[in-house]
Amino acid sequence: EIVLTQSPGTLSLSPGERATLSCRASQSVSSSYSYLAWYQQKPGQAPRLLIYGASSRATGIPDRFSGSGSGTDFTLTISRLEPEDFAVYYCQQYVSSPLTFGGGTKVEIK
Amino acid sequence: QVQMVQSGSEVKKPGASVKVSCKASGYTFTSNTMNWVRQAPGQGLEWMGWINTKTGNPTYVQGFTGRFVFSLDTSVSTAYLQISSLETEDTAMYYCARRSSWGDFDYWGQGTLVTVSS
Repeated sequence: EIVLTQSPGTLSLSPGERATLSCRASQSVSSSYSYLAWYQQKPGQAPRLLIYGASSRATGIPDRFSGSGSGTDFTLTISRLEPEDFAVYYCQQYVSSPLTFGGGTKVEIK
Repeated sequence: QVQMVQSGSEVKKPGASVKVSCKASGYTFTSNTMNWVRQAPGQGLEWMGWINTKTGNPTYVQGFTGRFVFSLDTSVSTAYLQISSLETEDTAMYYCARRSSWGDFDYWGQGTLVTVSS
């Protein structure tokens, strides 16, 4: 089973600041394609797909969200935090079964 | 537009059963597999497994075998999760999620809270 480790556990930032979230896999999730997605979850809501293939934005996702990385190290960057971006973010690998999620990073208002 | 609408919250006693539904619309139901994800209170996301919407063949992740059953009614584009012999540890939000052609979960139901309490 591929273990995903997200860091930090909590990120305290102010609106307008840049957020950098990390996801590290216990083994590579990339070949010619990176099988790594990012989701956003707000309290009381279902997760929402932000990024797939490590760097492709899902439909309707603002361009302040960007993903990068390959192999075992991935990053989600929010260039300038908007009030609605304060939430929990999860990475997921879908290269091999069982599909697994990281433990999440909470982005909170400082 | 693609949408998955799940059934409402349930409160059950230990030992009872529950059946959660997930009605899909806005796309051809049999084009994508349907997955189930559990989220215990205050915890992260846990993949339970998936069902092949063409064949009805389910696949369960370790830890979700025996008491958990995935099923379909393709005539109404609906997937079901049934949990039997409920335990207090089954208290959680349960989500259905469509798996995209790339493999990620591109659309999610709103979640169904199952509370198991005596």
